[in-house]
Amino acid sequence: NAGVTQTPKFQVLKTGQSMTLQCAQDMNHEYMSWYRQDPGMGLRLIHYSVGAGITDQGEVPNGYNVSRSTTEDFPLRLLSAAPSQTSVYFCASRSPPGTGELFFGEGSRLTVL
Amino acid sequence: GNSVTQMEGPVTLSEEAFLTINCTYTATGYPSLFWYVQYPGEGLQLLLKATKADDKGSNKGFEATYRKETTSFHLEKGSVQVSDSAVYFCALRRDNDMRFGAGTRLTVKP
Repeated sequence: NAGVTQTPKFQVLKTGQSMTLQCAQDMNHEYMSWYRQDPGMGLRLIHYSVGAGITDQGEVPNGYNVSRSTTEDFPLRLLSAAPSQTSVYFCASRSPPGTGELFFGEGSRLTVL
Repeated sequence: GNSVTQMEGPVTLSEEAFLTINCTYTATGYPSLFWYVQYPGEGLQLLLKATKADDKGSNKGFEATYRKETTSFHLEKGSVQVSDSAVYFCALRRDNDMRFGAGTRLTVKP
């Protein structure tokens, strides 16, 4: 049972570099989302998608781009990394409406120097 | 807007002690409420949930009751174990908006 798979698990970038965090789920969930986790702040929603071709902004979208070309994949792009984007990133997908449970990946720890 | 406030940690308890982690929320309408748990090095996992007022969610000895009058969803367990050591997050969902509290780190000592 793969569930939600994130890659890479760890990444170190220099300021100004770009990168993509990959997220894939095999549960046929329509809803997918990206969160960042920072000490003392819990999880904050970056972007989400309710289906292929549809994305929307969350609480903290600045500096991040997303796209959703397939149901399975929801990559998160950092076009020009900044030290403030040092964080742990979680991808999550949600089971159909009525249950509401989020299924999380194992996280990607990003450090921007 | 929607928000969740939960008790700040860290919380340290001895094995078999009683646990309460407080959680209050602000939301429009009638959100669903959740407790998630995060073990070291892992993503969050759903612990329990409640979808309407007066519902009680329960799992693995943990319980929480959706109290609309006090806008609360406090997590309780009667006797904690060392294996319960983790970070606990209270969360609410209103449509596509899901908000998490800051998390409470629990350490249970033998």
